[in-house]
Amino acid sequence: DTEVTQTPKHLVMGMTNKKSLKCEQHMGHRAMYWYKQKAKKPPELMFVYSYEKLSINESVPSRFSPECPNSSLLNLHLHALQPEDSALYLCASSPRAGGFTGELFFGEGSRLTVL
Amino acid sequence: RKEVEQDPGPFNVPEGATVAFNCTYSNSASQSFFWYRQDCRKEPKLLMSVYSSGNEDGRFTAQLNRASQYISLLIRDSKLSDSATYLCVVKDTGNQFYFGTGTSLTVIP
Repeated sequence: DTEVTQTPKHLVMGMTNKKSLKCEQHMGHRAMYWYKQKAKKPPELMFVYSYEKLSINESVPSRFSPECPNSSLLNLHLHALQPEDSALYLCASSPRAGGFTGELFFGEGSRLTVL
Repeated sequence: RKEVEQDPGPFNVPEGATVAFNCTYSNSASQSFFWYRQDCRKEPKLLMSVYSSGNEDGRFTAQLNRASQYISLLIRDSKLSDSATYLCVVKDTGNQFYFGTGTSLTVIP
């Protein structure tokens, strides 16, 4: 069982909806990540939080809005998405931020379908 | 040029075969190296970290050649359960992990 928990596991939304993806880890990890993965492609980095501060934003459209309320939680707020945003959204964490961070621990992902 | 290059395969091998995957990376300052395994419609899971001295975990052996910027994974005595996509992952000195495209392996009975 993964120690990074993502909810919901599946989400179907219309292009005018607002929804949020949630991620939680209780391993005391100091860096948290959002990745987007399309079928038969590797994960694509969206955002990185280090010590609860946004450290990397890979030019993601503003219809995706990350939030890190505390060191254990990471949210991804979704608004006015497009059908091409349908993908598996993966949350991950690593023990340390910067330098030798250790490996990435992934959640099971939230499979998003935009109609 | 991609940060991490990996042969996408697919590799189709019989049970019991030995198979090797290779990966190259472009940033000589890269700090940490990993092989992840991803099953269909599942999340990536760490298979093993890769160390300069090489490391082995059962049937799996990973090698790192920093001079050539090359990483390899050897799977001996392949099992049906080894069928998956294998992702080469390289981390820089910051918080950025770079993924190869993944290599698809199917082990055939």
